[in-house]
Amino acid sequence: GNSVTQMEGPVTLSEEAFLTINCTYTATGYPSLFWYVQYPGEGLQLLLKATKADDKGSNKGFEATYRKETTSFHLEKGSVQVSDSAVYFCALSPWGAGNMLTFGGGTRLMVKP
Amino acid sequence: EAGVTQSPTHLIKTRGQQATLRCSPISGHTSVYWYQQALGLGLQFLLWYDEGEERNRGNFPPRFSGRQFPNYSSELNVNALELEDSALYLCASSILTGGRTEAFFGQGTRLTVV
Repeated sequence: GNSVTQMEGPVTLSEEAFLTINCTYTATGYPSLFWYVQYPGEGLQLLLKATKADDKGSNKGFEATYRKETTSFHLEKGSVQVSDSAVYFCALSPWGAGNMLTFGGGTRLMVKP
Repeated sequence: EAGVTQSPTHLIKTRGQQATLRCSPISGHTSVYWYQQALGLGLQFLLWYDEGEERNRGNFPPRFSGRQFPNYSSELNVNALELEDSALYLCASSILTGGRTEAFFGQGTRLTVV
C-alpha cells in the first residue's frame, strides 16, 4: 500500500536558520506529492506540490524536489521566520481514479525569535 | 470561487449525544474526505466519498458514519459521543484532473464533548 513517513518533531529553530523536514514515500507508479501547512487553530493549506520526477515545487520561500530515485520530497527553506511556526504535512496522491490521499504524521516547527 | 466550507465552526455536545458535521466542497469537486485531528496528534483518516459512494473507511467504530449528497456536499455523523471524540474534524474536497488529484481543506469543526 501507499505510505508517507515524515521526521518526527517538534523541530525548534532560531529565526533565519535553515530548515529541512524529511519526507519519504512508498507508492506504486507516479504519485503527486504535496506539502500542506497548518497554522495554529486553522485547517490545512496547500503549501506546494510536484507531479513528476525532478519537479521542484516552491511557495513562500519553501521548496521541495520530487526525487523518484530516493522516493523523497524533503521540504526546505533557507531562512525561517517566527511566522513559519506551524505543523507541516507531507502527502501523496496516486495516479489515476479510485485512489485516495495518504498523509504523513505531521512535523511541528517552532521558530524562536 | 468559494473554498471548502464546514459548519458549524464549533460544536459542544454532551457524552452520549449525536453530532452532525457538514461539509460543502469546492464547486465541481466530486470527492470528499473526512479526517479527525485530536489534540497533539496527526490526521486520522475517517471516510472518503466519491460520486455519492463511500470509497474507503478508516479504523473507526461504526458510530462514525456519513453520506454524500447528490450535490456532493457531505455529512459526518457521530453517534453515542464519547469524551475522546473531542477533536478538530477536517473536511477536504478534490477532483481528478488528468489522472492527478489535489485536495483542498476547510477550516474544520471543533467538536468538544463534555
